[in-house]
Amino acid sequence: QKEVEQNSGPLSVPEGAIASLNCTYSDRGSQSFFWYRQYSGKSPELIMFIYSNGDKEDGRFTAQLNKASQYVSLLIRDSQPSDSATYLCAVSPGAQKLVFGQGTRLTINP
Amino acid sequence: SAVISQKPSRDICQRGTSLTIQCQVDSQVTMMFWYRQQPGQSLTLIATANQGSEATYESGFVIDKFPISRPNLTFSTLTVSNMSPEDSSIYLCSSWDYPGANVLTFGAGSRLTVL
Repeated sequence: QKEVEQNSGPLSVPEGAIASLNCTYSDRGSQSFFWYRQYSGKSPELIMFIYSNGDKEDGRFTAQLNKASQYVSLLIRDSQPSDSATYLCAVSPGAQKLVFGQGTRLTINP
Repeated sequence: SAVISQKPSRDICQRGTSLTIQCQVDSQVTMMFWYRQQPGQSLTLIATANQGSEATYESGFVIDKFPISRPNLTFSTLTVSNMSPEDSSIYLCSSWDYPGANVLTFGAGSRLTVL
């Protein structure tokens, strides 16, 4: 079992709709969870991090964490074409390193 | 956030040769991380580079193939040794912005193509 798993997609969402990205992880001791966005040919950039169970909102983005289910998700409201990218879920199992999932390619259709 | 500079940004290399990638951070950082991103794939951690000690390698990566130097708190190098076409990847350097930071910042990456 991979440490961090994501649906590789591609996920296609109409403009203005909600995009939902999901991620599961295997290490129950993980404490920190991150969502990165990567445009083609660019390096990853942080969107959000979450440490506590529940929801965390930042503008159009909401991260959701359920440690009991070992599940973290990212919701993007009012999706825009500029949101089209690969979204990487990352988990910190300790030692300050991050383990990344395989990424979900998201396309927002105008 | 931290600014991380990498060079070269890209290179085309011959099989059997070695190439050293340099990574410079604009502030002192304790840990620097080297990742590999193979075409169409996600990021895989190669090793963690600490100043003053040997790098810690992840499973599947060995020092002979990927020697790392960390001479000070702002600089690190990764060498890809005896390259084969399977080493064609983007190599990314990263660090936390500061101790306890929530942001792991990446350099722009070094795209290597091995012929």
